[in-house]
Amino acid sequence: DQQVKQNSPSLSVQEGRISILNCDYTNSMFDYFLWYKKYPAEGPTFLISISSIKDKNEDGRFTVFLNKSAKHLSLHIVPSQPGDSAVYFCAASVGGNTPLVFGKGTRLSVIA
Amino acid sequence: GAGVSQSPRYKVAKRGQDVALRCDPISGHVSLFWYQQALGQGPEFLTYFQNEAQLDKSGLPSDRFFAERPEGSVSTLKIQRTQQEDSAVYLCASSSPTTELASYEQYFGPGTRLTVT
Repeated sequence: DQQVKQNSPSLSVQEGRISILNCDYTNSMFDYFLWYKKYPAEGPTFLISISSIKDKNEDGRFTVFLNKSAKHLSLHIVPSQPGDSAVYFCAASVGGNTPLVFGKGTRLSVIA
Repeated sequence: GAGVSQSPRYKVAKRGQDVALRCDPISGHVSLFWYQQALGQGPEFLTYFQNEAQLDKSGLPSDRFFAERPEGSVSTLKIQRTQQEDSAVYLCASSSPTTELASYEQYFGPGTRLTVT
């Protein structure tokens, strides 16, 4: 049973527009959430995180929103750039510095 | 500074062979995690260490898998009598939480792609 779900396997967005990647989770004990970006033949690269005590965290073009009641989080990238094309993974953990549970990823393609 | 490094980057093993995968974490990082990523899937947890102590090995798929971190730095994941279903990318990550920032990001290495023929 998947505890972290990314229901869109792929997303295509025009350059300059907003990309919205979604993630749902089922385990109400999760209290720390992260987004990673992955290029082929490389390891995942950390993008942004959010603790369950917050509902929004922003870092440059990247913003993560957390809706605890809906057990849903989203990553907004604005404006989208061609270099953002990659697979994005949502991950969650219980208690911080503990093993991460990942979704299956969403492949983002930003078209120039 | 240097990131997490893993070696070898690619490994081809014949079924039944033993393999050893190495991870060099970021210097000073106390926590080290191993994940397995199958094609088209997200990484799945195998085991993790805090310094030299193995705190959780519940994700190891069988007793053919063994991990160690004897001096609290470099870690080795060993797979005995490899099977075709062991073919995957093995990722290592390290972290060093700072209580002031409550920062728990894990930083990943490039992975070792294991192919069992």
